[in-house]
Amino acid sequence: GQQLNQSPQSMFIQEGEDVSMNCTSSSIFNTWLWYKQDPGEGPVLLIALYKAGELTSNGRLTAQFGITRKDSFLNISASIPSDVGIYFCAGQPELLKYSGGGADGLTFGKGTHLIIQP
Amino acid sequence: EPEVTQTPSHQVTQMGQEVILRCVPISNHLYFYWYRQILGQKVEFLVSFYNNEISEKSEIFDDQFSVERPDGSNFTLKIRSTKLEDSAMYFCASSEGLAINEQFFGPGTRLTVL
Repeated sequence: GQQLNQSPQSMFIQEGEDVSMNCTSSSIFNTWLWYKQDPGEGPVLLIALYKAGELTSNGRLTAQFGITRKDSFLNISASIPSDVGIYFCAGQPELLKYSGGGADGLTFGKGTHLIIQP
Repeated sequence: EPEVTQTPSHQVTQMGQEVILRCVPISNHLYFYWYRQILGQKVEFLVSFYNNEISEKSEIFDDQFSVERPDGSNFTLKIRSTKLEDSAMYFCASSEGLAINEQFFGPGTRLTVL
């Protein structure tokens, strides 16, 4: 199946610092989504990207859909304690077919574990 | 704000038993999904469902798994004969439409197979 390489695997930062993480793929993606997951909970959608080059913000979060359609990054500015968690990129590969008229499942990265030190 | 709900939050079962995990997707959404997450690992796609039939399934979704929309609101995942390796968090998700593939996830059901 499709693979997403997400980095870094974990980040240890001080409160107030900016954070940057990214995902890359060897194949083209139609959609990039960024999720945050807290322990024992489901992923929460942060940002959705649909066009190559698209840059979208959601508060202190900014994400971009790479021009090559094979990568995406997520930036968090001025981190606060509640930003702690695991951030996942997810995407919809171009090659999958919409069989039956329905939408295809997302391919997830392995996550970036964000830890904020006081 | 509308959200996806799942029951039960935790299910413990014996190996070989059947389990049914339940989900209520967001009411105006048309596409439904099941994913699983083994402890400490990434989220993996199992199956998508639209218009009362399976749209796509992964290689994980073998003959032991089935999905159903028994009424207008519930969406279920059945595992016919559970194995130890089925222990995982199972997430239901839903999305509004084909072009808008923003999938919203439920809180998950933790399945423990003993």
